[in-house]
Amino acid sequence: GAGVSQTPSNKVTEKGKYVELRCDPISGHTALYWYRQSLGQGPEFLIYFQGTGAADDSGLPNDRFFAVRPEGSVSTLKIQRTERGDSAVYLCASSFEWTSGRSGELFFGEGSRLTVL
Amino acid sequence: KQEVTQIPAALSVPEGENLVLNCSFTDSAIYNLQWFRQDPGKGLTSLLLIQSSQREQTSGRLNASLDKSSGRSTLYIAASQPGDSATYLCAVRRGGNAGNMLTFGGGTRLMVKP
Repeated sequence: GAGVSQTPSNKVTEKGKYVELRCDPISGHTALYWYRQSLGQGPEFLIYFQGTGAADDSGLPNDRFFAVRPEGSVSTLKIQRTERGDSAVYLCASSFEWTSGRSGELFFGEGSRLTVL
Repeated sequence: KQEVTQIPAALSVPEGENLVLNCSFTDSAIYNLQWFRQDPGKGLTSLLLIQSSQREQTSGRLNASLDKSSGRSTLYIAASQPGDSATYLCAVRRGGNAGNMLTFGGGTRLMVKP
């Protein structure tokens, strides 16, 4: 597609439920990133994929968070046993891989706003 | 650990003013620095990207400079307009093989009054 697409745009769930957030990156971008942004703060890194593999998952806060990218394109961020503190906007971004000689400029989607009641 | 700070946190100016937003980072070993704009409830829009070997980039009324050795970048907005009202975020990418993550500052919330 023309840009990074994220669904759903808004998700309201109850504490303890399971949530999946989807990201469809820009066509041709091999690198995909998940970030989390709380109100009034800058985005915080969660996980980075190069192709199908998670090259850096150091930002995932705990083992309730997991992300996959099985075919190297669409990615799903999965949150188990949601807690109220998980409420935030989850942003996805994609780019060409910087080692390909390109600029490595990141392009972000509109985000998925998660509210855990 | 890289830390990115943006000053001021909020700024309100009358229309037409030239203004400067500041970004500082603690680790100068960066690959590039990117400035973004974020409108309320929206995602991030890339404004300018400066590679570590560059000193500045310009796009329209925007000019971003980078002084890697001192850990500073500035975003200059000329002749500000009400439509420039948004949050401006800077982010740095680590260099070498250290990974690909961007580290963001907390942003500067800009309001340009008509």
